[in-house]
Amino acid sequence: DAGVIQSPRHEVTEMGQEVTLRCKPISGHDYLFWYRQTMMRGLELLIYFNNNVPIDDSGMPEDRFSAKMPNASFSTLKIQPSEPRDSAVYFCASSLYRTPQHFGDGTRLSIL
Amino acid sequence: DQQVKQNSPSLSVQEGRISILNCDYTNSMFDYFLWYKKYPAEGPTFLISISSIKDKNEDGRFTVFLNKSAKHLSLHIVPSQPGDSAVYFCAASAKEYGNKLVFGAGTILRVKS
Repeated sequence: DAGVIQSPRHEVTEMGQEVTLRCKPISGHDYLFWYRQTMMRGLELLIYFNNNVPIDDSGMPEDRFSAKMPNASFSTLKIQPSEPRDSAVYFCASSLYRTPQHFGDGTRLSIL
Repeated sequence: DQQVKQNSPSLSVQEGRISILNCDYTNSMFDYFLWYKKYPAEGPTFLISISSIKDKNEDGRFTVFLNKSAKHLSLHIVPSQPGDSAVYFCAASAKEYGNKLVFGAGTILRVKS
C-alpha cells in the first residue's frame, strides 16, 4: 500500500515567490493534516480536513498561508508571498477518525 | 502553553539495555496517547498507542505505560538496538478536540553498540 505522498521533497525559492506544497493521502483516509516542523516550535498543526472540508485552521500562521482539498486524494498548502521565516519542514498526514496518523516524508522548504 | 512535555531532549543507552522515554501532559481531557519515531529526512512513523482505559500496552520490544493520576506516560524499549536511534515524539488527543494530535518536543535516543 502506498503511504502519504508529498511533493516536492525539497523546495528552494526566493522571498516573495509563491510556494505550493502537495499531498496525496492514503486511499480511504478521510482526515488530512498539514504540520510544520521548526527547531523553535517543534511539530505544530497548521490545518486539518475531514471529508475534504477544513475543520480547524487555527494553526495557520497568517493570511499568506492557504490550504485546499479539492478531492479526497489531493491537497495543497500554498504560501504567497513567501518569507524567510517560513523556512521549515512541512508534513502532511492522513488518518481515519481517532486512529494513528500516517505521515509523508515532508517537504523541506527554504526561502532565501 | 505546552500541553505535552518531553523534558529530556536526549538519551543515550547501551545496546541491549532498556531505554525509557518519558512524557508528561497537563490536559486531563486527553484520552488517547501515541508514540512516534522519526529518522532524519523521513516523516514520523507510528510506533505504539494507548487508550486512557488501559495502563499498559505492549508490542514486541516496545511497551507504553500510562499513569493517569500523575499525567505521565513512558515508552520502554527492551532490548535497545542501534536501529532504534531516532527522535521519539509523544502525542495526545481528546475526543473534545476532534481528531487533532498535540505533540511533545521529542527526545533524541542514541543507542550505542
